[in-house]
Amino acid sequence: QVQLRQWGAGLLKPSETLSLTCAVYGGSFSSNYWSWIRQSPGKGLEWIGETSHSGSTKYNPSLQSRVTISVDTSKNQFSLNLSFVTAADTAVYYCARKGLLEWSQGTLVTVSS
Amino acid sequence: VVVTQSPLSLPVTLGQPASISCRSSQSLVYSDGYTYLNWFQQRPGQSPRRLIYKVSNRDSGVPDRFSGSGSGTDFTLKISRVEAEDVGIYYCMQATHWPPTFGQGTKVEIK
Repeated sequence: QVQLRQWGAGLLKPSETLSLTCAVYGGSFSSNYWSWIRQSPGKGLEWIGETSHSGSTKYNPSLQSRVTISVDTSKNQFSLNLSFVTAADTAVYYCARKGLLEWSQGTLVTVSS
Repeated sequence: VVVTQSPLSLPVTLGQPASISCRSSQSLVYSDGYTYLNWFQQRPGQSPRRLIYKVSNRDSGVPDRFSGSGSGTDFTLKISRVEAEDVGIYYCMQATHWPPTFGQGTKVEIK
């Protein structure tokens, strides 16, 4: 059974870069796509993007100019970078296997000066 | 693709049925013939949990009181007899069109 655990900074200032990493335990890292999703009171659940194990990525057009998702297959991990954050990026960020059967515990990221 | 749920709030008596509607702004039938419409449950303080995939397929461990139906642009999640553990917010999500999009959520509470 796949388990996902994530970590990263929870408090950022405007214009900084959000960085989160998600580790995958169990299952097959190389035969799946891996996703980032966020949830905010204002915008609800929002798909950020996804990556394959080989680094093939797709991003939500609404965030594409600021998002980078990368993968480290040697560690079964994938990461999210979101640049130039504002208060509107305050949300709980989740990593998940594509298909969304398994989710991480989520990280609350707050952007405040 | 815009996904619209109704109602947004659903007070239900224990043991009674509940029904949530999900409508999409475009057909969710993909070129492979499948319809990628999923349902999720989010209990307070927890991550979302997938209940139903491809309209009507229950995930492992999901009680059979949950059922999904629909086609094209119109979908429904039904709970045949609501139990106390069903309290939470329910979301539909389409994964046919990029990017995947979620409904606003329906809050199910006990009367």
